[in-house]
Amino acid sequence: RKEVEQDPGPFNVPEGATVAFNCTYSNSASQSFFWYRQDCRKEPKLLMSVYSSGNEDGRFTAQLNRASQYISLLIRDSKLSDSATYLCVVEFGGSQGNLIFGKGTKLSVKP
Amino acid sequence: DTEVTQTPKHLVMGMTNKKSLKCEQHMGHRAMYWYKQKAKKPPELMFVYSYEKLSINESVPSRFSPECPNSSLLNLHLHALQPEDSALYLCASSQPSGSGANVLTFGAGSRLTVL
Repeated sequence: RKEVEQDPGPFNVPEGATVAFNCTYSNSASQSFFWYRQDCRKEPKLLMSVYSSGNEDGRFTAQLNRASQYISLLIRDSKLSDSATYLCVVEFGGSQGNLIFGKGTKLSVKP
Repeated sequence: DTEVTQTPKHLVMGMTNKKSLKCEQHMGHRAMYWYKQKAKKPPELMFVYSYEKLSINESVPSRFSPECPNSSLLNLHLHALQPEDSALYLCASSQPSGSGANVLTFGAGSRLTVL
């Protein structure tokens, strides 16, 4: 069973807010995890990979909790340009490239 | 500009037509993917080619037929499609990694409408 579940959203936040998205996955053997960003009518683009120890890239922090099969993304000091859909992606085992997307969480940052 | 090029950008076809979607990348990636995305839904994995061999077919109907002529090209042949097949078809590529960290680079997509 290959399932990736995300917060349904939408999240409507003011500029400068901190917002967190969560994602759970069904297969404990999954090895690779990512957050992608998709703007309206555009293709998804990699935001960041998620490493076991957690990782940070500027205002963005990703965490992985293998025991709970849970991934998170924290965005600090939200900008208007952060408005997009954030997609959690999990690589399931079996065959390489078995990359499954969550339903996505829509973020809207308002002035 | 995306490094994965998809053509055509838009395609309208009837249910009896045969058409093809094309995808090309020159990043030396050895894995290529087709995803289908309907409005307000996430991309759904259809096919994966790894080193030019089909490695994943997510139970896709046979009216969709993938082809990987070489490591840079990926086609999706379409025949006898249904209106519900109308969607954005996204091609992606990645460099297979021993650690499993396949980072996808997507093309801009081919928007298909089946009448």
